Amino acid sequence: GIQVEQSPPDLILQEGANSTLRCNFSDSVNNLQWFHQNPWGQLINLFYIPSGTKQNGRLSATTVATERYSLLYISSSQTTDSGVYFCAPDFQGAQKLVFGQGTRLTINP
Amino acid sequence: DAGITQSPRHKVTETGTPVTLRCHQTENHRYMYWYRQDPGHGLRLIHYSYGVKDTDKGEVSDGYSVSRSKTEDFLLTLESATSSQTSVYFCAISFAPGGLSYEQYFGPGTRLTVT
Repeated sequence: GIQVEQSPPDLILQEGANSTLRCNFSDSVNNLQWFHQNPWGQLINLFYIPSGTKQNGRLSATTVATERYSLLYISSSQTTDSGVYFCAPDFQGAQKLVFGQGTRLTINP
Repeated sequence: DAGITQSPRHKVTETGTPVTLRCHQTENHRYMYWYRQDPGHGLRLIHYSYGVKDTDKGEVSDGYSVSRSKTEDFLLTLESATSSQTSVYFCAISFAPGGLSYEQYFGPGTRLTVT
């Protein structure tokens, strides 16, 4: 069946460190989004990235659709980056996103 | 801010009672979604809507129904709540900012506890 696997499940870093979060998916995708869920539970849209590379400040994302993975890079981490990061591809269209289980990132001061 | 509100934000109810959660948007977008999030899991799609009175089932639709009589409101109903429906429920809308590609944006969530 359709699968979305994120790694690592947990990541603890010091402020200022860089990190790479990975998302593997089992089928071709129409769309892929990355979200950040902050410690208060709010889900924030980070990137729409079905293929290619995008950058937004200290964050960037790359999706290699032919190899079925996406990467989220966070540079110079800040404590406000803490939370859970979700990858969510759309395999069927109509924006029916399938969420991975997330990577919990903790940035210590 | 995608203009999405959910009500109530918190609710405690008893097993067997009906519960309706409301999602309201201010921008008249066509696509709306209901997800649930449980500890240790990502979000799972319950139902979605692609227009007024046009709805379809998602991955975990058993025990839930939805209605959309107006573009701006998408209602999720638990006809007879069970403890397994204790969860955080998120509403989302999908639209294309700048007209380029559809992206999904989420409301603040409703925490439902069924005792």
